[in-house]
Parts: sequence; structure tokens; C-alpha cells
Amino acid sequence: NAGVTQTPKFQVLKTGQSMTLQCAQDMNHEYMSWYRQDPGMGLRLIHYSVGAGITDQGEVPNGYNVSRSTTEDFPLRLLSAAPSQTSVYFCASSYVYTGELFFGEGSRLTVL
Amino acid sequence: GQQLNQSPQSMFIQEGEDVSMNCTSSSIFNTWLWYKQDPGEGPVLLIALYKAGELTSNGRLTAQFGITRKDSFLNISASIPSDVGIYFCAGQGYGGSQGNLIFGKGTKLSVKP
Repeated sequence: NAGVTQTPKFQVLKTGQSMTLQCAQDMNHEYMSWYRQDPGMGLRLIHYSVGAGITDQGEVPNGYNVSRSTTEDFPLRLLSAAPSQTSVYFCASSYVYTGELFFGEGSRLTVL
Repeated sequence: GQQLNQSPQSMFIQEGEDVSMNCTSSSIFNTWLWYKQDPGEGPVLLIALYKAGELTSNGRLTAQFGITRKDSFLNISASIPSDVGIYFCAGQGYGGSQGNLIFGKGTKLSVKP
């Protein structure tokens, strides 16, 4: 099983550019989420989804958009990248609200 | 918003020593979880706790769900070099947006052979 797959693993952007981080899971999980990890800050929830067509904001949603057209995919869009969005981004999935999250390997984003 | 206080922030220990870390919150949770993150990887679930007072083991790891529902601890016995990494606690509330996990800031463990 592939589990949770994130692409790309590394990305460098210039301020103002847009991009999409891809996330796909093959475990038929209803719940999917995006976190960012910054040094000394732990993992902070950006957006989450409890099923296809349903998304909601987490703790730090500003500057990010998500959509959930299928159970498998949950892309994260950066609309106009800023240096403050330099971070490691993790996608995670689970059966709805179990808390037993499966994480991807992360996408390391640098915004210059 | 809700916050978890995880301590210590970092630990440097000798191989074979026992390790203890804990997490406290001002809010109650219905689930406590412990994750480990290896360098360059995503976190992996170690232990999940679902009942106040519950004590659960996974090999050399033991975790407890505090009776007040506001705290949890993780013990690692007889540490080995592969225990190196960052350990995160996480709390989960009841349904709706409270069903999302709140993570502590992590305990970075270093083990000297």
C-alpha cells in the first residue's frame, strides 16, 4: 500500500507565485487534513475535510485554499506565496475523527 | 485556541536509560495520542488512549491517559539509538471541529550510544 503520497517533496517559490501541493491516499479514509510544521511550533492544522465536497478551516488557514472532489485527493493551493509560508507541509488522513492519523512524508517549501 | 504544553522540549540521554515526557492541557480531551517523527519523515502513531486512567503499552513504550482528562505521559524504557526523534502528544475533543487533533510542540530525544 502506498498510504499517503505527497508531491512535490521539495519546492522553491518566489514571493507572489502560486502552486499546488498534491496529496493522495489509497486507504479509503474519509478524513484528510493539511498541517504545517515550523521549528518550535509543532504541527498546526491548516484545512481539513471529512469527506468529498466538504472542507473546513483549521487553525492557520489564511493564504491557503483546498478542495475535495474525490475521497482520494486533497490538494492544498497557495494563492500568492509569501516568505511566512516557508515551512514543511504534511498531509494526513484517517477514518473520520479517530485521531489515528496516517501522515505523508512531507513537502518542504521555501518562499524567497 | 486550545494549547498543549509538552515537556521537556529536548532530552539528551545515555543508551539504556529510561525516558519520561508529558503533556498537559487547560481543556479536557476524549482521546490522547502519541506520535514519533524520525528525521525527514512524517509522524507515525505510537499509542492511542481512549479512556481516562487508561494505561497502554507498546513494546518498551508505556502511555497513560490522565484521570482528569487534561494530561498524558509517555515512558520509554531501556532506550536504544533508534529511539532518536521528535515525540508529539496530541489531544482530540468531541465531534465537529473539536474532533481535530491539537498537537504539542514536541520533545526532541537524542540518545548517546
